[in-house]
Amino acid sequence: SQQGEEDPQALSIQEGENATMNCSYKTSINNLQWYRQNSGRGLVHLILIRSNEREKHSGRLRVTLDTSKKSSSLLITASRAADTASYFCAPNSGGGADGLTFGKGTHLIIQP
Amino acid sequence: EAGVVQSPRYKIIEKKQPVAFWCNPISGHNTLYWYRQNLGQGPELLIRYENEEAVDDSQLPKDRFSAERLKGVDSTLKIQPAELGDSAVYLCASSSYYQGPSTDTQYFGPGTRLTVL
Repeated sequence: SQQGEEDPQALSIQEGENATMNCSYKTSINNLQWYRQNSGRGLVHLILIRSNEREKHSGRLRVTLDTSKKSSSLLITASRAADTASYFCAPNSGGGADGLTFGKGTHLIIQP
Repeated sequence: EAGVVQSPRYKIIEKKQPVAFWCNPISGHNTLYWYRQNLGQGPELLIRYENEEAVDDSQLPKDRFSAERLKGVDSTLKIQPAELGDSAVYLCASSSYYQGPSTDTQYFGPGTRLTVL
């Protein structure tokens, strides 16, 4: 797997606003995954988008993938305090059970 | 369904001491991973097991780190001797090749926070 680079590194918004974070990668992928990590906890899988998909939704999450630009974005709508966490993308060039490579993540803070 | 279990949750040791971490993956998951996460960084893979076989240990510092997965279920990661730079959170994750469309999804445990003094 290759490492994704999340941007911005930190983001602070008001509760109820939308949060958008981006991920860029360097080489072709089979899929790209987003994970969330709350303070002091393990990572939680949010969504997986495959290379032949352009957009995917899960509840308040919307992920897009642009393989021509080698980038993905994660949109969280109507943010809540519980969304405060670090978000990591993991572009996966392999498949199956390959280990993932994570960047530094985007640290999102939702202000009440 | 129980998640990935890790113990201990916290460990404080002095440098040069040995330490061991234990992981019990989700029942039926044949793939197990150990990651290390330094402060402010994302997790980095140390080793991956397929059943009881270590199929990717290229990032494991083999001079002081060792791991085993007896019977292809539980796993133990050991550091001997520990160094100051080993202070980090050690995460275990598991996945199942047979879980359908999302075979690439990894399920993480809460981690063990190691502090080496």
